[in-house]
Amino acid sequence: QKEVEQDPGPLSVPEGAIVSLNCTYSNSAFQYFMWYRQYSRKGPELLMYTYSSGNKEDGRFTAQVDKSSKYISLFIRDSQPSDSATYLCAMSAMDSSYKLIFGSGTRLLVRP
Amino acid sequence: NAGVTQTPKFRVLKTGQSMTLLCAQDMNHEYMYWYRQDPGMGLRLIHYSVGEGTTAKGEVPDGYNVSRLKKQNFLLGLESAAPSQTSVYFCASNPGLEHSNQPQHFGDGTRLSIL
Repeated sequence: QKEVEQDPGPLSVPEGAIVSLNCTYSNSAFQYFMWYRQYSRKGPELLMYTYSSGNKEDGRFTAQVDKSSKYISLFIRDSQPSDSATYLCAMSAMDSSYKLIFGSGTRLLVRP
Repeated sequence: NAGVTQTPKFRVLKTGQSMTLLCAQDMNHEYMYWYRQDPGMGLRLIHYSVGEGTTAKGEVPDGYNVSRLKKQNFLLGLESAAPSQTSVYFCASNPGLEHSNQPQHFGDGTRLSIL
């Protein structure tokens, strides 16, 4: 069993829809949680970053962490065709190496 | 500000050949990482470095070697390429322990095909 599980999709939604992306994890030591967006043939770019539990909002994006359920979510409001990409969750324990463990990524397609 | 730069962007090798992938960062980051990305597998850590002159093994280190002779550069070597090493390779960097709450910054990858 993988340490981080993420549905690969693809997830196809109409423009303007609310998108929900999720990851589950098994390691209770994870403290830092990130969402990266990756366009085709590009490197991952950081979207959202949270520490421990709670919510964080940035424009159309909201990240939620539920450590009791070992579950994290990314919500995208008013989705745009430019949001079409692969979304990777990543997490890390608080140690000296700051190694990230990634989910396999969810491919999102926002239809005009 | 270039951030993290990877060279080459694309390469085709024959089985048994060797090559070195270069990663350069201009952010004065202490920590650097090499990942490979395969379909359905996400990004998996190959090797990493927590400072100049240091290296450590990640999740999938076999068949690869690394060196960090200068703080800004992290080299990934394939001594004898195998078809199983066909992948997209990403380099990333992070400021370091005192900034441990800062996420990693990624390059745009090197696409490597082994025939």
